[in-house]
Amino acid sequence: DAKTTQPNSMESNEEEPVHLPCNHSTISGTDYIHWYRQLPSQGPEYVIHGLTSNVNNRMASLAIAEDRKSSTLILHRATLRDAAVYYCILHSGAGSYQLTFGKGTKLSVIP
Amino acid sequence: DTAVSQTPKYLVTQMGNDKSIKCEQNLGHDTMYWYKQDSKKFLKIMFSYNNKELIINETVPNRFSPKSPDKAHLNLHINSLELGDSAVYFCASSREGYITDTQYFGPGTRLTVL
Repeated sequence: DAKTTQPNSMESNEEEPVHLPCNHSTISGTDYIHWYRQLPSQGPEYVIHGLTSNVNNRMASLAIAEDRKSSTLILHRATLRDAAVYYCILHSGAGSYQLTFGKGTKLSVIP
Repeated sequence: DTAVSQTPKYLVTQMGNDKSIKCEQNLGHDTMYWYKQDSKKFLKIMFSYNNKELIINETVPNRFSPKSPDKAHLNLHINSLELGDSAVYFCASSREGYITDTQYFGPGTRLTVL
C-alpha cells in the first residue's frame, strides 16, 4: 500500500470545525482513501472512505483533491469525544485484506 | 450487543507461559483479523482469515497461532511468551475483506508479559 503523511498532532477548540490533512502523493488509481480513528483505550473505528469524489456521512466529510495526492478529513463541529488519533490509510485492494496503519494525527479538543 | 468482542480484556502472565485470546463477532462477517499495537502505538496486521482460511500471515513468530473454529470466532494462541509480546492485541472483522469493506475492531486485549 502507498504511503501517507499526516501531522503528528493538531488542536481544535470545541464546537469549531477541524480539518485534518493527509498527503498521499504516490497514490495509485485504484487506491481508496480510508479514515479510521482510535479513541483512548479503544479499538480503531471507521470514519469514512472515498475514491475520487468528496464524501459525507454522519460523522465527517472527506474532501479529496482533484489530483488525489491529498485529502482532508473534516469534522464539522469538534466535540470532546472527537479527541482521538486519526489515521489516513490507502487501501489498494490488490489481493490485500489488511489495513496498513501509519502514525496518524493525534487530535486534541480544547473545551 | 457488542459487534466484536475479545476476552480477556487484560492478561498478565510470566515469560514462557502459553496463553490464548478469544475473539467473537456477531456481524455475520466472513473475514477476521488480528492486529498488534506495540508500546509506540503502531498498529500492525498479524493475521487475516477469510471463511476460516488463513489469507495473510505477516512476519509473525510461529509461536503465534491463530485458530478459527468457525466464521464467527478467531482465537489467538501464543506459546512461550516473551517480554516483547507485551502489547495490545485487537481483533477485527469485515464483511468480505474487499477494498471498500469497513473493518470493525474489538476493544483490545492488553497483554503484559513479566
